Amino acid sequence: AQKITQTQPGMFVQEKEAVTLDCTYDTSDPSYGLFWYKQPSSGEMIFLIYQGSYDQQNATEGRYSLNFQKARKSANLVISASQLGDSAMYFCAMREPRTVNYGQNFVFGPGTRLSVLP
Amino acid sequence: DVKVTQSSRYLVKRTGEKVFLECVQDMDHENMFWYRQDPGLGLRLIYFSYDVKMKEKGDIPEGYSVSREKKERFSLILESASTNQTSMYLCASRPRVNTGELFFGEGSRLTVL
Repeated sequence: AQKITQTQPGMFVQEKEAVTLDCTYDTSDPSYGLFWYKQPSSGEMIFLIYQGSYDQQNATEGRYSLNFQKARKSANLVISASQLGDSAMYFCAMREPRTVNYGQNFVFGPGTRLSVLP
Repeated sequence: DVKVTQSSRYLVKRTGEKVFLECVQDMDHENMFWYRQDPGLGLRLIYFSYDVKMKEKGDIPEGYSVSREKKERFSLILESASTNQTSMYLCASRPRVNTGELFFGEGSRLTVL
């Protein structure tokens, strides 16, 4: 079963408008972390924002905010005032503890391609 | 700043060739990872290493092996490349005891002909 679901393969948004990228996750562990990464066409993965499962408040980083709804197991990324440079693939990821070797398992969703229109 | 460096951005190999993908990180991180990225599938974990000479299989280890002889270097090896291994390969690292993010290299795009 998919642990991270991103239901929007592609999204369009007008420049300067806000956009929400959806992410739902599945875990039975009470301790986990949720991450969003941006991948421009150049290929590098850029970390955007993090939300811990015990954090009481939604995370914010500049124009990025994470709408964390724990009971619904959703962690949507909100980008305010979109810019042309926001056009990229966006990946939602979850960190959950592994049972062996101090490792931690990061699971990624399939990604959403965001296109910002001028 | 943490830097994760992958040796080759683009490689073209022939079926049956042995392929080495190298990754070096400069922040003394214990954990290093190799992911494969394919359209519509996101990133899938091939192997990770939690210490020198230690490794653990990820979700898709078949056809791959890894080597970690030094803490800073984690190599992915395709013993006999096949066309279905054409993909983007991403290396990442992070400290062992940390709730933070993975730090990624720039990726290596491998084409197997």
